[in-house]
Amino acid sequence: GAVVSQHPSRVICKSGTSVKIECRSLDFQATTMFWYRQFPKQSLMLMATSNEGSKATYEQGVEKDKFLINHASLTLSTLTVTSAHPEDSSFYICSASPLDREQETQYFGPGTRLLVL
Amino acid sequence: QKEVEQNSGPLSVPEGAIASLNCTYSDRGSQSFFWYRQYSGKSPELIMSIYSNGDKEDGRFTAQLNKASQYVSLLIRDSQPSDSATYLCAVQRNGGSNYKLTFGKGTLLTVNP
Repeated sequence: GAVVSQHPSRVICKSGTSVKIECRSLDFQATTMFWYRQFPKQSLMLMATSNEGSKATYEQGVEKDKFLINHASLTLSTLTVTSAHPEDSSFYICSASPLDREQETQYFGPGTRLLVL
Repeated sequence: QKEVEQNSGPLSVPEGAIASLNCTYSDRGSQSFFWYRQYSGKSPELIMSIYSNGDKEDGRFTAQLNKASQYVSLLIRDSQPSDSATYLCAVQRNGGSNYKLTFGKGTLLTVNP
């Protein structure tokens, strides 16, 4: 149990385009999902907390108008990188915790590798 | 001061030895502690969680927590080459609706055959 999927696993796009990444909890419901970004040889950096039915909470330094988050249901959150630039190239990973078990752990999706040309 | 600190390594141990990974954290309000393993190019996977002082064992893995010293460690017994990965320490300050994890930079472990 506790499987989180992400789609796509890899995307290459041109500078200036927008890219949408989906994060789904496959066998549990999650009111909260988290979006991380990881650059090569760096640790995971939390970008934002996605809350079902309400606005996402962004970490300091993360532009909310550039990284649009929508958490429309208890099993799906999406991250849209708008007007992507080469510096946005990174490994984007989502995580989710089962409802009412948020203090136990977070289960991570397999990640989406974004390359902006 | 960084919130979660780990030695970046690399830590190199021979196969069959004990690997010891350490982590310190600055937020005394932290209540939950996790060790994740991350293979190169992959996302993290949970190895251990620990919530109270003392040791917690699961197979070849033992997590140790000392809240007074703000220290958490992971021991890997009988290390195998397949254990070679980056190990991430994460802490969670529970409260209200805030369950976000704060990660250390990770320790790269290499187990030599």
